[in-house]
Amino acid sequence: AQKITQTQPGMFVQEKEAVTLDCTYDTSDPSYGLFWYKQPSSGEMIFLIYQGSYDQQNATEGRYSLNFQKARKSANLVISASQLGDSAMYFCAMREVRFSGGYNKLIFGAGTRLAVHP
Amino acid sequence: DVKVTQSSRYLVKRTGEKVFLECVQDMDHENMFWYRQDPGLGLRLIYFSYDVKMKEKGDIPEGYSVSREKKERFSLILESASTNQTSMYLCASSLGGSATNTEAFFGQGTRLTVV
Repeated sequence: AQKITQTQPGMFVQEKEAVTLDCTYDTSDPSYGLFWYKQPSSGEMIFLIYQGSYDQQNATEGRYSLNFQKARKSANLVISASQLGDSAMYFCAMREVRFSGGYNKLIFGAGTRLAVHP
Repeated sequence: DVKVTQSSRYLVKRTGEKVFLECVQDMDHENMFWYRQDPGLGLRLIYFSYDVKMKEKGDIPEGYSVSREKKERFSLILESASTNQTSMYLCASSLGGSATNTEAFFGQGTRLTVV
């Protein structure tokens, strides 16, 4: 069965340092997508970055990069040069699609709460 | 801008009541999802729909049902509310098809308390 695991309930980092948030996944489908979302204390869900299962290169979006290791089924989020505004919950997610019938499922992990200290 | 609107921000219901949570999106998205969010458990998928009148069980469908009669609206129904259904409920939508890279857009959430 499809599953997302985030083993770090909480992390803290000093401002301006880099931090890695872990995510492992399990699926038997060859085609899938991996996402990271940020949820600040306001509660909104903010899309950060996407990685496709067939992508050869790791995804990057500004200070965010995704360390994709397909054989290990891991998709860790790296935030470089942390800022105070990065303090939030971070969720890893996986999309499973099936080409027949449009089936499209999106599941999330338990999340990691990141605290950035000045 | 994509907009996903949930009908209520806060709800308080009594045990045994039938509860309807409504979600409407304005971007003609095929996919719609209902999650509940609890501390330490993240977002757990209750039901999802990839087309009108199509629905699939997620990981925790027990005690819930859904309805999707129109493309833009996806309703979550608690047939007989119980205190263990007290939670934050999040609705999301995304484009359909076979692409895996379609971003999901979320509503503001409904905090449901069952007393």
